[in-house]
Amino acid sequence: DAGITQSPRYKITETGRQVTLMCHQTWSHSYMFWYRQDLGHGLRLIYYSAAADITDKGEVPDGYVVSRSKTENFPLTLESATRSQTSVYFCASSRTGDTDGYTFGSGTRLTVV
Amino acid sequence: QKEVEQNSGPLSVPEGAIASLNCTYSDRGSQSFFWYRQYSGKSPELIMSIYSNGDKEDGRFTAQLNKASQYVSLLIRDSQPSDSATYLCAVVKYNFNKFYFGSGTKLNVKP
Repeated sequence: DAGITQSPRYKITETGRQVTLMCHQTWSHSYMFWYRQDLGHGLRLIYYSAAADITDKGEVPDGYVVSRSKTENFPLTLESATRSQTSVYFCASSRTGDTDGYTFGSGTRLTVV
Repeated sequence: QKEVEQNSGPLSVPEGAIASLNCTYSDRGSQSFFWYRQYSGKSPELIMSIYSNGDKEDGRFTAQLNKASQYVSLLIRDSQPSDSATYLCAVVKYNFNKFYFGSGTKLNVKP
C-alpha cells in the first residue's frame, strides 16, 4: 500500500534492551523524520534525514541511533532503552522538507518497563 | 521562549459555531506555516498550509497569517462534533530542520 507505515504499533520492552522502530514510505520522499510525542512537551524532533546516507540530530537525539541506507526506510534504534524513552514515536516524510509539510505514520507506542 | 506558542485549551464551542484557534511564533524569519489536526490516539494530519500574509480558505477552514504580528490562526466555520481534536500549529524556518510544532490546542465541539 502507498503511504508511510510504522511498525510495530505497540511495543513493551525492558530497561537496557535494544529496540528498533521501523518506518517505511512508498513516495520516494527525500526527507524523513522521527518525532516523539509526550504530554507537556508536544512533538520533539529526534533525528531527520535529507536523503539516503544523510542524517542529522534534532532536538532530543541522545540515546537514539538512526540509519538510512535506502530512501524508503528510516529505522530508529534505542540502543539501551530507559524508562524516560517511554513515549509515542512518529515517523514523517516530506518531498521538500519545508513547503510541503509532513505526512506522519500512524505511530509506535513504546513502553519501557 | 518557545518557538511556537498555542493556548492548550480546551476550547469549547457549540455545534455550528465558529471555532478560532490561534498561534504565535517567535522567529520573524519563519516562512511556511501549517495547521495539523490530531485525534486522540492518532497521528497528526495536515489540514492547511499558508505562506503569505492574508487569508486562505479551504472548505470550512480558513487560515490567517499576519507576519508583522507573528501570528497564525485557524477558523473553523460551522463546527461539527467531528472537529473535536487537538490542533497543532507548525512553523518552518529557512530549512527543514527548523520545523517547529506548538503543543496544540484541544477543541471540543458540543452537540
